[in-house]
This record gives sequence, C-alpha cells and structure tokens, in this order.
Amino acid sequence: GNSVTQMEGPVTLSEEAFLTINCTYTATGYPSLFWYVQYPGEGLQLLLKATKADDKGSNKGFEATYRKETTSFHLEKGSVQVSDSAVYFCALSDGDDKIIFGKGTRLHILP
Amino acid sequence: DVKVTQSSRYLVKRTGEKVFLECVQDMDHENMFWYRQDPGLGLRLIYFSYDVKMKEKGDIPEGYSVSREKKERFSLILESASTNQTSMYLCAIGLGQQVGGTQYFGPGTRLLVL
Repeated sequence: GNSVTQMEGPVTLSEEAFLTINCTYTATGYPSLFWYVQYPGEGLQLLLKATKADDKGSNKGFEATYRKETTSFHLEKGSVQVSDSAVYFCALSDGDDKIIFGKGTRLHILP
Repeated sequence: DVKVTQSSRYLVKRTGEKVFLECVQDMDHENMFWYRQDPGLGLRLIYFSYDVKMKEKGDIPEGYSVSREKKERFSLILESASTNQTSMYLCAIGLGQQVGGTQYFGPGTRLLVL
C-alpha cells in the first residue's frame, strides 16, 4: 500500500543553518505530495504542496521538489530561524481525498 | 480563509464516560476527517465522511463512532472512554481533488482519560 517515510528526529540546528528533512514515498499512480507543519500547541498547517512530477512547492523560505524518479519530496530551507522550531510532516494524497502522513520530524533551532 | 473549529482545546474525562468531540467548518465542504495523533505514531485516521449522514471507517475506528447530521458539523464519539484513548484529536476538512486533496486542520483537542 501507499506509505510515507521521513527522517526521524529530533533535528537540532543553529539559527541560519541549512535545513534538509528527507521524505520518500511509495504510491501507485501519481499522488499529490505535501509538507505540513505543527507549531507547539496547535493543529497542522499546510506548508507547501506539489501535485505533479518536477513541481516545486515553496512557502516561507521552504522548498520541496516532487522527484518521481527517486520517489522523494525533501524539504529544504537555506537559513532557518528559531521560529521554525516545530514538527514537520510529509504526506501524500493518492486520489481518494485521504492523506497518508509520515510520522513527523521534530525540529529544534537554537539561537 | 478556511476555518475549522473544534469544540474544546483540552478535555479531562474519566474512564467509562461518553465523550463528544465536535468539529465545525465555515465553508460548504463535503469531506471531513478525524485523526488521532500520538508521539512516534504520527497521525492515524479514525473516521471520515464525504457527505451528510455518510461515514467511512479509517485505519483505527475501534472504540469510536461518528455523526454527521449537518454538512458543517462532524462529531467524534467515544462511547466509553478508556485510558488508551488519551491523545490529541485533530479534525480536518478536505477540499477535493481539484486542489490535489489538500486538507485543512482545526487546532486539535487534547483529551486526557483518567
């Protein structure tokens, strides 16, 4: 069945460091791919998405590119801030309006 | 903006109590979902609904039921709460395949069952 695997955390970085959170997926067909973010005490917010191969989603300095050849959707940011500390979820939707989530990666940014 | 409201942010209940968690949306979306979130397990789908009076089981429906009498409201019911149902519960609405299946979430209800 469909699944999402993302790197385990926690990930701890210093402010202004480069961030990569790896995500790979298994799916039949052509899923849409998402990154959601959850700040402390809140629900999930959509961070970015891509709906077809080679699409790049971007928002708030974060980017991820839909790579069908490697079945990956890695999240990157060039210079992280303390305010980026949160849990990040990679996810896919495979056409029936349900979303399959990865287990989440907790990110800590140190000032 | 899409707005999803959950009736409580925090709840404390006793084992055996009947618990109602409510989710309300302010738009006319058909698809609504209930998840629970636990450390190390991510989000797991409990139930979902594609329209009024319709419901479908998700991956972990045991111990839960749902009700959707009106389009804007989707309720999750714990018939007899147990300690292993202590969790964060998240409601979401789905905007359909025209936007790639994007879902929008409420703020969550953190439930403690004693």
